[in-house]
Amino acid sequence: SAVISQKPSRDICQRGTSLTIQCQVDSQVTMMFWYRQQPGQSLTLIATANQGSEATYESGFVIDKFPISRPNLTFSTLTVSNMSPEDSSIYLCSVAAGQGRYEQYFGPGTRLTVT
Amino acid sequence: DAKTTQPNSMESNEEEPVHLPCNHSTISGTDYIHWYRQLPSQGPEYVIHGLTSNVNNRMASLAIAEDRKSSTLILHRATLRDAAVYYCILSGGSYIPTFGRGTSLIVHP
Repeated sequence: SAVISQKPSRDICQRGTSLTIQCQVDSQVTMMFWYRQQPGQSLTLIATANQGSEATYESGFVIDKFPISRPNLTFSTLTVSNMSPEDSSIYLCSVAAGQGRYEQYFGPGTRLTVT
Repeated sequence: DAKTTQPNSMESNEEEPVHLPCNHSTISGTDYIHWYRQLPSQGPEYVIHGLTSNVNNRMASLAIAEDRKSSTLILHRATLRDAAVYYCILSGGSYIPTFGRGTSLIVHP
């Protein structure tokens, strides 16, 4: 398994500002992912964070809005840029681990409220 | 990814077994069946996964139909801590789960 921590755990931000969320893993992992969970909804994959190359974004998500860094095999950041109230969500990072990497482990999430 | 169908919610009594069904009639030969659960105010938690054979681990059992078009997650003795949303997911040969709405399990004391 893998233990994942996220900072901050929650934040309240003003419209038009940006927030950077940090994700730290207790072991080296190849694949890290960022998800969004809007209130009352299921999880939506934002992007896959690749070490040493640009992140791979899912349809509907763009780098200018959600820039991602992956400087090493244990750490990644997601920035939510130029925020609007529609960005109010829980943001979660996860890693693929376990045998064959078919197990995903999630961080506790960052609860973001944009006013 | 192939689609899964789960009931929106199920109820159980504490210390009774719970069988959570999942239909995946369009499953392909390379799709693994994964189950995750999400407790209130927490990130999802891996529960179990399998391909063709039934699987057991310390958390649950996964029973896979012979034609693989359905599966059942079995919690042998439900506790109040098992109240969560349970997601059945097909991975399509990759390890990036696509989450649906899941089944909200309510456990009564």
